[in-house]
Amino acid sequence: AQTVTQSQPEMSVQEAETVTLSCTYDTSESDYYLFWYKQPPSRQMILVIRQEAYKQQNATENRFSVNFQKAAKSFSLKISDSQLGDAAMYFCVTNNAGNMLTFGGGTRLMVKP
Amino acid sequence: DAGVIQSPRHEVTEMGQEVTLRCKPISGHDYLFWYRQTMMRGLELLIYFNNNVPIDDSGMPEDRFSAKMPNASFSTLKIQPSEPRDSAVYFCASSAGRSYEQYFGPGTRLTVT
Repeated sequence: AQTVTQSQPEMSVQEAETVTLSCTYDTSESDYYLFWYKQPPSRQMILVIRQEAYKQQNATENRFSVNFQKAAKSFSLKISDSQLGDAAMYFCVTNNAGNMLTFGGGTRLMVKP
Repeated sequence: DAGVIQSPRHEVTEMGQEVTLRCKPISGHDYLFWYRQTMMRGLELLIYFNNNVPIDDSGMPEDRFSAKMPNASFSTLKIQPSEPRDSAVYFCASSAGRSYEQYFGPGTRLTVT
């Protein structure tokens, strides 16, 4: 069974500053993907970034980047130059070979103007 | 691309009534997923289909819930009879084979009184 743990229920960041959201996971799969999804108040679930486990290079998507530590089973999300629109619930997610996703409990990010 | 389409966006019904939620996946996607999100339990996978065939329905709460996918462009989730504890946001998501990213619809907020 897979588990995903987000130890920070809430985080806050000043606009234009940088924030890092933590995530650890456990999986028995040898080939898997990791994702960060964002859910703003509109409740739409939006894919932010994805990482293939077999790739050592950390994924980057504009202001969003990850720190993927495979041995430690850690997958943190860094948001640079935070914007008010980044305020949302962020979910760390992993999948299994059957294409089923396992979601963490989420981290609510608040952005202060 | 219109993305995943769900209807209705909001549904309010009385206990005992039948509720049908609808989903149109992204054209060309061969996986379709139904999720339920509540404050208490987070995001739960209910059932998923591959090429219109149900693959895993172990997350379906009980016999009151049923899901169908008569063709590649349409799926329904039915609750009969509905109960107040079914109140939640129901998401439909689709993905294209082994690409692993799932694209979510806007969700249906169901309230059973």
